[in-house]
Amino acid sequence: EAQVTQNPRYLITVTGKKLTVTCSQNMNHEYMSWYRQDPGLGLRQIYYSMNVEVTDKGDVPEGYKVSRKEKRNFPLILESPSPNQTSLYFCASSFLTGGRGSSYNSPLHFGNGTRLTVT
Amino acid sequence: AQTVTQSQPEMSVQEAETVTLSCTYDTSESDYYLFWYKQPPSRQMILVIRQEAYKQQNATENRFSVNFQKAAKSFSLKISDSQLGDAAMYFCAYRARNSNSGYALNFGKGTSLLVTP
Repeated sequence: EAQVTQNPRYLITVTGKKLTVTCSQNMNHEYMSWYRQDPGLGLRQIYYSMNVEVTDKGDVPEGYKVSRKEKRNFPLILESPSPNQTSLYFCASSFLTGGRGSSYNSPLHFGNGTRLTVT
Repeated sequence: AQTVTQSQPEMSVQEAETVTLSCTYDTSESDYYLFWYKQPPSRQMILVIRQEAYKQQNATENRFSVNFQKAAKSFSLKISDSQLGDAAMYFCAYRARNSNSGYALNFGKGTSLLVTP
């Protein structure tokens, strides 16, 4: 089954304790990204990657790191989490946009989300 | 950056009736994609429908259809024969075709849809 898998689904941690949220997709998508969702703010992009070893900052990258060593995996790393990083996180992937009418006009496919609480 | 505006924080519809959710966006691009995503209480993000800006024909997916007005930069979602399972938060989203924006999906703040029996 084509899917984006992120783990864990729930995570409670303390300020300053490094953590990693994993994300894996089995659709051979070039593009992967991380979003955070906060009440009243909607979804905002943290980081994205257009291919292996190619990553770039989104709208809210401060306090986060990512890596893309393999095409299927795109982990989100919080080196020193703080309470303002308490949020719902989504990993997403897609093909990059292609020619008109092609299958590459693909939407983002989302993982099931990770609810992170930093105390 | 492109902005997406959903002016209705909450909407309510009776089962079997029709409801329309509004979305407007701001862009200087001529080619882009528009989407509606549904987020039920399970918090999954589920694609409802997509529209390519170069296509004049409005997209439809079963009970879901859009009214895409490119000149007005408007992209509303119509849900016909509403069902209890349609209750969710609905997000309108914009995605540019070029890499300048990092291919990011720009989301509206969402509309919470309540379906009453």
